[in-house]
Amino acid sequence: GAVVSQHPSWVICKSGTSVKIECRSLDFQATTMFWYRQFPKQSLMLMATSNEGSKATYEQGVEKDKFLINHASLTLSTLTVTSAHPEDSSFYICSARASSGSLEETQYFGPGTRLLVL
Amino acid sequence: AQTVTQSQPEMSVQEAETVTLSCTYDTSESNYYLFWYKQPPSRQMILVIRQEAYKQQNATENRFSVNFQKAAKSFSLKISDSQLGDTAMYFCAFMKRGSEKLVFGKGTKLTVNP
Repeated sequence: GAVVSQHPSWVICKSGTSVKIECRSLDFQATTMFWYRQFPKQSLMLMATSNEGSKATYEQGVEKDKFLINHASLTLSTLTVTSAHPEDSSFYICSARASSGSLEETQYFGPGTRLLVL
Repeated sequence: AQTVTQSQPEMSVQEAETVTLSCTYDTSESNYYLFWYKQPPSRQMILVIRQEAYKQQNATENRFSVNFQKAAKSFSLKISDSQLGDTAMYFCAFMKRGSEKLVFGKGTKLTVNP
């Protein structure tokens, strides 16, 4: 149980285009989903927290107009990198936290998405 | 604010041996959770073990166990009978009860040698 998928796993795009990344909890309902960014050989940096049906809460320094987050259902959150530039190239990871039960208070992570902006 | 410190950037161990990864944290909270996550070369973050602060008993999951010392704010991970598949980055993380955010340490890169 507690499986989180992320799609796509790899994306290469041209500078100026927008890229959408999907995060799904496959076998549980997630009240809250999180989006992280990870630079090489570093720890995870929280970008934003999204709750189903409400606006995402962004961490300080993260541009909300650049990184659009939508949490339309209890199993799906999307991150859209708008007008991507080479400096947005990174590894993006989502996680989901269960709504209730024994999985509560634990974040389960997706496999990540490597974004390369040319 | 809470902080998590992993003082060992890199460690190595021979296959079948035991290794302990250290983690200390700083908090004024009394009710919280602690986690160890593993990130192998595939970069998929995998939950290894979870500890609730109000439980005195140390959590165990097969070959993985923790030594939770609440007064010392220490949460070390012991891996017994190390396997090649244990090669990964290991992150210690803290979460205050009622908060949604994980606070991560910088990680320890563990290499299991054949």
